[in-house]
Amino acid sequence: DVKVTQSSRYLVKRTGEKVFLECVQDMDHENMFWYRQDPGLGLRLIYFSYDVKMKEKGDIPEGYSVSREKKERFSLILESASTNQTSMYLCAVLSGLATDTQYFGPGTRLTVL
Amino acid sequence: RKEVEQDPGPFNVPEGATVAFNCTYSNSASQSFFWYRQDCRKEPKLLMSVYSSGNEDGRFTAQLNRASQYISLLIRDSKLSDSATYLCVTNTGNQFYFGTGTSLTVIP
Repeated sequence: DVKVTQSSRYLVKRTGEKVFLECVQDMDHENMFWYRQDPGLGLRLIYFSYDVKMKEKGDIPEGYSVSREKKERFSLILESASTNQTSMYLCAVLSGLATDTQYFGPGTRLTVL
Repeated sequence: RKEVEQDPGPFNVPEGATVAFNCTYSNSASQSFFWYRQDCRKEPKLLMSVYSSGNEDGRFTAQLNRASQYISLLIRDSKLSDSATYLCVTNTGNQFYFGTGTSLTVIP
């Protein structure tokens, strides 16, 4: 299985702060994703990347940006955190072996005060 | 209309019971289908892929009906450890669409 790690399990930030969430994979997979998960709304795609320096907007990119300078690392940036960005953030990697399956990191629970 | 819809439950069943979850999807071009399991405050983990011919993995059976655009998951002989939220997922190209999940609690 693909191993996906995220920089923090829990994070508390203040409104207006710049927030960096990092995701690292241990294999050479091209496709990486950032989701947020909220009760009753399920997982919603923020951004995804299909290669180094490549990125595509998902369904809810507003207020976020991403960076993929190295293949194994995909960062999510909240330029100016707001309280409505309090959520669980999940990074996923797409494994193209056999079936296209996403493997998730443990998640970062972000609280913006 | 949501891409993927599931009954949120909760389903509360006794140990040993058989329980079935259904899920419908709206995009007829969906290519791949999955069931994920998510424990409280943890990440989703792949339970099984769903194939057109149906597939079984131990106590778990998944079925796909492309004509009606629904996917099902059957759990036989429920265990306490099956308590979790089950997410239905479809894939079109590199885009994945998640249902909001069905909550299952298996009661002793």
